[in-house]
Amino acid sequence: GEDVEQSLFLSVREGDSSVINCTYTDSSSTYLYWYKQEPGAGLQLLTYIFSNMDMKQDQRLTVLLNKKDKHLSLRIADTQTGDSAIYFCAEILDAGNMLTFGGGTRLMVKP
Amino acid sequence: DVKVTQSSRYLVKRTGEKVFLECVQDMDHENMFWYRQDPGLGLRLIYFSYDVKMKEKGDIPEGYSVSREKKERFSLILESASTNQTSMYLCASSFPLAGGANEQFFGPGTRLTVL
Repeated sequence: GEDVEQSLFLSVREGDSSVINCTYTDSSSTYLYWYKQEPGAGLQLLTYIFSNMDMKQDQRLTVLLNKKDKHLSLRIADTQTGDSAIYFCAEILDAGNMLTFGGGTRLMVKP
Repeated sequence: DVKVTQSSRYLVKRTGEKVFLECVQDMDHENMFWYRQDPGLGLRLIYFSYDVKMKEKGDIPEGYSVSREKKERFSLILESASTNQTSMYLCASSFPLAGGANEQFFGPGTRLTVL
């Protein structure tokens, strides 16, 4: 069955790196996504990774995928107060259109 | 820019009322989705539609119905609102990315309170 899990909360200081973790159970995931939700707003796609990749880097964001352990992480370098938001990981299975979301990790960045 | 709009940001209704939540997208996307978001539970899919007049149940369709008469508009209907349907409702539409991935574009959400 499908299950995507994340820790609920992460607090970091401005300028530090943040690492948000996600685990999933279905090995037929084809794409894995990271979405950001700022207060009062909808979800915005940050980045995604195909399941045959180990890593994807995009400016301050680094996505690491360990397919053997079914573990996905999002690293934000030089975290800023504007990065404070809820971060959701999500997966899509085999050529489907339906995303399965984790519960979201609330990132708080302290000045 | 893709725009997904929802008819209301905040809505307060009474138990037993019929509630309509409207969603409109302006990018000719075929797929549209309705989710509800509850603290600690993430987003849960209620219904989705992959074409006009086509709909599929998601994970939690009970107590909801949908309507897609036009490609750009996807409506969520609560036939008889109950207090456990108090939640944030998010609409999305999707577009294929390079390599077969999908990007879902989200509306700002409607926070529904049922008294």
